[in-house]
Amino acid sequence: ETGVTQTPRHLVMGMTNKKSLKCEQHLGHNAMYWYKQSAKKPLELMFVYSLEERVENNSVPSRFSPECPNSSHLFLHLHTLQPEDSALYLCASSQDRAAGEEKLFFGSGTQLSVL
Amino acid sequence: QKEVEQNSGPLSVPEGAIASLNCTYSDRGSQSFFWYRQYSGKSPELIMFIYSNGDKEDGRFTAQLNKASQYVSLLIRDSQPSDSATYLCAVPSGGYNKLIFGAGTRLAVHP
Repeated sequence: ETGVTQTPRHLVMGMTNKKSLKCEQHLGHNAMYWYKQSAKKPLELMFVYSLEERVENNSVPSRFSPECPNSSHLFLHLHTLQPEDSALYLCASSQDRAAGEEKLFFGSGTQLSVL
Repeated sequence: QKEVEQNSGPLSVPEGAIASLNCTYSDRGSQSFFWYRQYSGKSPELIMFIYSNGDKEDGRFTAQLNKASQYVSLLIRDSQPSDSATYLCAVPSGGYNKLIFGAGTRLAVHP
């Protein structure tokens, strides 16, 4: 396995369900990210973890709960989502460097549909 | 809120022509700039980054940065149909590990 892998690739869930998205990076990086990509909108940064500590929480509703157990794994736990949360959720990683040198490597994403 | 602006396109160019993609940003303190390419149904991939004023060339790609005017552009020479994709401009917002993306410009290269 190389790069950044995300599972599942597609997810359909009801508003009362609980599900989790998984991300694993095989690049030896020490920073990991969750981004949301909705149609016709820019990528939105949701969470940033650096050295397994959350360093950014971009005003994301509490129905999204991230978890970073180690520098290679990142989860996004989902519960009581809304239809407007339907989007492509992208995980990314980078090697933590000086600010302004963040080169992100993205996973293939999870296409989420909330019914 | 720091902003990154791009024309959504589509920008249509014939095969072999030069495609010019532009991006403006609002944070005067930004020091580095990134271009990502995203094919339909795929995730973004980094293709160019530039830190200094002027031009940076990598194969058929040239990034141009003008900090005084707060714009960065991407030129693609000898455009190929395989270059058809959405091109995303990204700028650090000033926060650590925080990249802000533009909405992207869709490029269509026709034979």
